[in-house]
Amino acid sequence: NAGVMQNPRHLVRRRGQEARLRCSPMKGHSHVYWYRQLPEEGLKFMVYLQKENIIDESGMPKERFSAEFPKEGPSILRIQQVVRGDSAAYFCASSPSHAGLNTEAFFGQGTRLTVV
Amino acid sequence: DQQVKQNSPSLSVQEGRISILNCDYTNSMFDYFLWYKKYPAEGPTFLISISSIKDKNEDGRFTVFLNKSAKHLSLHIVPSQPGDSAVYFCAAKSGGGADGLTFGKGTHLIIQP
Repeated sequence: NAGVMQNPRHLVRRRGQEARLRCSPMKGHSHVYWYRQLPEEGLKFMVYLQKENIIDESGMPKERFSAEFPKEGPSILRIQQVVRGDSAAYFCASSPSHAGLNTEAFFGQGTRLTVV
Repeated sequence: DQQVKQNSPSLSVQEGRISILNCDYTNSMFDYFLWYKKYPAEGPTFLISISSIKDKNEDGRFTVFLNKSAKHLSLHIVPSQPGDSAVYFCAAKSGGGADGLTFGKGTHLIIQP
């Protein structure tokens, strides 16, 4: 009964490159959330997706960042033309399809992005 | 503007004693509160939660208290154990929905032998 799987665990990119972060939710979960944690900070909500739909992207920077959760396959967080300020830990969380009640989200181990 | 505040970046407690972690919030729309525990290089793991219709929720050594009028909640761990050493995040959400959580900056709890 695998938990939320994120890969890669560590990702190094040069400035201007693209970063692709993947997240496979827990089995039976159809809600996916992406959070970013900057050094010495708490986790900041970025985007909430259900299958093939973006429900809330209020925490996502307007440029260079995009997210998707296709019908088949993992959720992808894409950062284009990365800059040093994008260096952070990116966490994915998932919750059950009946979320809407007060259920907790389960987190993956995160992807540590370093931009050099 | 931080809507969830954990004002103590770190807390040191002796093993066997009670650990009390505090959290304040400003958004009166928040109606569900959660505590997560995080070890280095791992994702947060859910610990305990409380709905705004309650003022206390207990699960083993962990108890969360909610004071809505003061917009304050606290997590009590008793007795504290070495494995409790971690960063604890307070989180909140509103509307009872599946929306994203608003997190505090965390408190690093250190349990001393």
